[in-house]
Amino acid sequence: EVQLVESGGGIVQPGGSLRLSCAASGFTFSSYWMHWVRQVPGRGLVWVARISDDGSQTNYADSVEGRFTISRDNVRNTLHLQMSSLRAEDAAVYYCARVRAPGPIPLHWFDPWGQGTLVTVSS
Amino acid sequence: DIQMTQSPSSVSASVGDRFTITCRASRNINYFLAWYQQKPGKAPKLLIYAASTLVSGVPARFSGSGSETEFTLTISSLQPEDVATYYCQQATNFPFTFGPGTKVDIK
Repeated sequence: EVQLVESGGGIVQPGGSLRLSCAASGFTFSSYWMHWVRQVPGRGLVWVARISDDGSQTNYADSVEGRFTISRDNVRNTLHLQMSSLRAEDAAVYYCARVRAPGPIPLHWFDPWGQGTLVTVSS
Repeated sequence: DIQMTQSPSSVSASVGDRFTITCRASRNINYFLAWYQQKPGKAPKLLIYAASTLVSGVPARFSGSGSETEFTLTISSLQPEDVATYYCQQATNFPFTFGPGTKVDIK
């Protein structure tokens, strides 16, 4: 069974840092681009970042560029999101998501998604 | 960035009703559009990709159509388990933007 399980969420003060992880299983992790998407409870979905299958290419939303770093460990089948200089507006549920199919030219629709991990930014 | 809009923002329909959600992109995205269903407290689930391709296991009452800038998601016969919020998403290029969502409930 394909599964993504996020961890690492919690309460952090403004300006603080947090590292999210996403453990992947049930598929060849190193063959798939991966993404982070966030959602303020009760609000819509916002794309955050993506990383290529081999980790050589990363892209970010403007709102997190320079503060967040997406990375992956293809040996441990784990995706990470290092978040620093956190702001109140970064508070959200963070989902990791896989692209639906592997390949040299991936199409970025997301399937499956993890269950999400909640990040709260508060003093 | 490509902006995505959806209409209506919410719909209340009866079991068995047919209705359509519209998603519009601010510029041509060809067929690079996906639809997701999100039930309360759950992660989104991919329903349709490439504008009209149904994910395996998704009931056939769901269908998608459209291209370029205008797309639709149709539920042909609303069922109680379809109560959810539905999002469209463009997959042309990053940032991969989502529509604001359409909340569907039972009248």
